[in-house]
Amino acid sequence: EAGVAQSPRYKIIEKRQSVAFWCNPISGHATLYWYQQILGQGPKLLIQFQNNGVVDDSQLPKDRFSAERLKGVDSTLKIQPAKLEDSAVYLCASSATGTSHEQYFGPGTRLTVT
Amino acid sequence: EDKVVQSPLSLVVHEGDTVTLNCSYEVTNFRSLLWYKQEKKAPTFLFMLTSSGIEKKSGRLSSILDKKELFSILNITATQTGDSAIYLCAVGTGTASKLTFGTGTRLQVML
Repeated sequence: EAGVAQSPRYKIIEKRQSVAFWCNPISGHATLYWYQQILGQGPKLLIQFQNNGVVDDSQLPKDRFSAERLKGVDSTLKIQPAKLEDSAVYLCASSATGTSHEQYFGPGTRLTVT
Repeated sequence: EDKVVQSPLSLVVHEGDTVTLNCSYEVTNFRSLLWYKQEKKAPTFLFMLTSSGIEKKSGRLSSILDKKELFSILNITATQTGDSAIYLCAVGTGTASKLTFGTGTRLQVML
């Protein structure tokens, strides 16, 4: 079974630029999550999708971050404009159902904002 | 606000040692506690615990949950250099599968 796919693996941008990350979950997984992991901290949930609907985006900085999952499969997360404090690893995860806490993570995208 | 606290923050041991990692939590509407191993970037799933006092075991790793005292431990026996990683504890709450993570314990196993 293929795991969660993410791209790119690394990205370096200057502050005020924009960036987008892509995630393809495990086939058949209805729920998709985006997490931000700052160095030395645990992952923090940014947004959760159930199929193509948003379940929780309470911790997403909506003035600069946006995410979509238009067809209920893959998803993109965008930051515009980026700030220095956005430097982090962005992890995508998926789970089979919206009630299962067993989540499977992709390899992540390491973003450096200079 | 939901809170998950792990200790110690970091640990250095020698191969063959046994280690115990701790996770305590204060959350609303507890559903489950999960342990993940993070070596490079992607956390990989180890265990999910939902009931108190029932040990889950996988090879040299085992974990148990105490829902009365609100903590869990992860034991690793006969440690190997390949066990070097960050171990993350996460608590699942509510009906929408939300996870709150601790900051992790960084384990380094030396020869």
